[in-house]
Amino acid sequence: DIQMTQSPSTLSASVGDRVTITCRASQSIDSWLAWYQQKPGKAPNLLIHKASSLEGGVPSRFSGSGSGTEFTLTISRLQPDDFATYYCHQYKTHPVTFGQGTKVEIK
Amino acid sequence: EVQLVQSGAEVKKPGESLRISCKGSGYSFTSYWIAWVRQMPGKGLEWMGIIYPGDSDATYSPSFQGQVTISVDKSIRTAYLQWSSLRASDTAMYYCTRVYTGSLDPFDYWGQGTRVTVSS
Repeated sequence: DIQMTQSPSTLSASVGDRVTITCRASQSIDSWLAWYQQKPGKAPNLLIHKASSLEGGVPSRFSGSGSGTEFTLTISRLQPDDFATYYCHQYKTHPVTFGQGTKVEIK
Repeated sequence: EVQLVQSGAEVKKPGESLRISCKGSGYSFTSYWIAWVRQMPGKGLEWMGIIYPGDSDATYSPSFQGQVTISVDKSIRTAYLQWSSLRASDTAMYYCTRVYTGSLDPFDYWGQGTRVTVSS
């Protein structure tokens, strides 16, 4: 199985901050990576697919980059609605796997 | 509007059987794979397996193979996840999701989740 490792596990930030979350794959997944946002008590929501393609309706302050084994999710100016847990997801091969999650907390 | 509506919360005892459901609407149900994802309390997301409603072709994660059964009834646009003998460790939230286009794609729509509690 491809292991996905996110860092940090928890991130404390303030409204307006630039935030970066990293996701590393145990082997190359090309650009077959998605990012999801999950708020407490809710299902995850797809933000980005193919490493950098923003889903419709997702604010442009979210961006993704990377290929191969290293990827980043960046929130350019953190908004109150962005405090949540973020997961990366590789879909290069079955079984598809997720990172362990990064919780973005209010500082 | 694409929707996946899951069945309600369940409380079961160890050893009991269970089937939960996921009804799709607003899209061509037989043309998109449905995946099931587990989230244990306070933990991350785990892919359990997928099924193609068009022909009931299913693929399981090795971690869940033999532990659960994924099925579908395309006549009523509903996918199922079932257990023959529940364990306490099956306590979790279970999500069904639609897979973007192929079997290896991101999950673009999610059900609201079904909470399963297994306790004696």
